[in-house]
Amino acid sequence: LAKTTQPISMDSYEGQEVNITCSHNNIATNDYITWYQQFPSQGPRFIIQGYKTKVTNEVASLFIPADRKSSTLSLPRVSLSDTAVYYCLVGPLFSGGYNKLIFGAGTRLAVHP
Amino acid sequence: GAVVSQHPSRVICKSGTSVKIECRSLDFQATTMFWYRQFPKQSLMLMATSNEGSKATYEQGVEKDKFLINHASLTLSTLTVTSAHPEDSSFYICSARDRVGTNEKLFFGSGTQLSVL
Repeated sequence: LAKTTQPISMDSYEGQEVNITCSHNNIATNDYITWYQQFPSQGPRFIIQGYKTKVTNEVASLFIPADRKSSTLSLPRVSLSDTAVYYCLVGPLFSGGYNKLIFGAGTRLAVHP
Repeated sequence: GAVVSQHPSRVICKSGTSVKIECRSLDFQATTMFWYRQFPKQSLMLMATSNEGSKATYEQGVEKDKFLINHASLTLSTLTVTSAHPEDSSFYICSARDRVGTNEKLFFGSGTQLSVL
């Protein structure tokens, strides 16, 4: 399973765009990239998932370069409620490998007024 | 999206007692569920994979006799912490995978905070 590396923490202000980059140098051909958000004392919540190029949904965008060795989660116009820990996970879908997603340390995002 | 319900959300027990945590997939069938453990300000650590109708698969270092997992139906998995001790105090989270269109996602329960006195 691909190991991921993210910044330990980030700080931002309300209304700014936040970009969190995740490195996964040994990503496999059949691996997907998934980002989760976790608030204190809650289970992680799915944010976005992608394989290559760009994926956008109602809450975030995910940018994946051609070599797929990294990915960037982009949160537009963050608010105080976006203060959370963000995890980048890499693994294949529809297989046993996906079942054993290993959580890295995650990125603690603090949004300030 | 799919909903995974976890109960109880918080439990306080005396040392030596057993505690059961339930994890239910409310609107989908989950042949496989997963149990994680999380200490304060740390990441999630996978404890075991719960398979419906068969024995759970435990990660290295996780005592299977200490953490009993039962997955008797396609919508329910339970984790029982037997003879709990203060060092078992932690945040326990379950998850289940569901296929959504061409994607596969993990959906997580809200977690159970276990405090052993």
